Amino acid sequence: GNSVTQMEGPVTLSEEAFLTINCTYTATGYPSLFWYVQYPGEGLQLLLKATKADDKGSNKGFEATYRKETTSFHLEKGSVQVSDSAVYFCALSLYNQGGKLIFGQGTELSVKP
Amino acid sequence: DTGVSQDPRHKITKRGQNVTFRCDPISEHNRLYWYRQTLGQGPEFLTYFQNEAQLEKSRLLSDRFSAERPKGSFSTLEIQRTEQGDSAMYLCASGMVGPDMNTEAFFGQGTRLTVV
Repeated sequence: GNSVTQMEGPVTLSEEAFLTINCTYTATGYPSLFWYVQYPGEGLQLLLKATKADDKGSNKGFEATYRKETTSFHLEKGSVQVSDSAVYFCALSLYNQGGKLIFGQGTELSVKP
Repeated sequence: DTGVSQDPRHKITKRGQNVTFRCDPISEHNRLYWYRQTLGQGPEFLTYFQNEAQLEKSRLLSDRFSAERPKGSFSTLEIQRTEQGDSAMYLCASGMVGPDMNTEAFFGQGTRLTVV
């Protein structure tokens, strides 16, 4: 079946630290990959996406590269801020399955000043 | 356009009661999705519509759950005879199929259901 596995949280970092959140996937097909972010009290927002192998998605200083050979889509940011504190979800979708999203369990990030 | 809106934001109901949630998608979007999210977990797919047609229902969607999207506009999700296990955040998302056949989904803020 199709599934997404993320590293467990919570992840606690100091401001300006380097962030990596690991994400691996299993898919019966060629998925598109996404990172969504959920800030406290808010809805899910698309952070970045990649639709084919070796594509790099980027937004707000975050990056993730679609690695087909390792079935991974790890999220990175070079210097986190307190405002990045949120829950991050990795997800995949397959266009021949109606574009429904399959999410990982989420990783909570807390950035301390 | 103000994005995807859901109503109500919070609902507390007694076990055994029926509840209905509403989702208003972004107007030009032809796809509409419902997800359920429990504490500490990622959202789980429930069902989706393309225009007014309900094209897929998850096994999570028991026969107590029904969803409609009359005229391909807003959608409703009804839960009959609620159980405590139905307590969750119910998320709606809408999107358009792009030229690459992928759909970028935009989420509402959700309806938090508490069954007491």
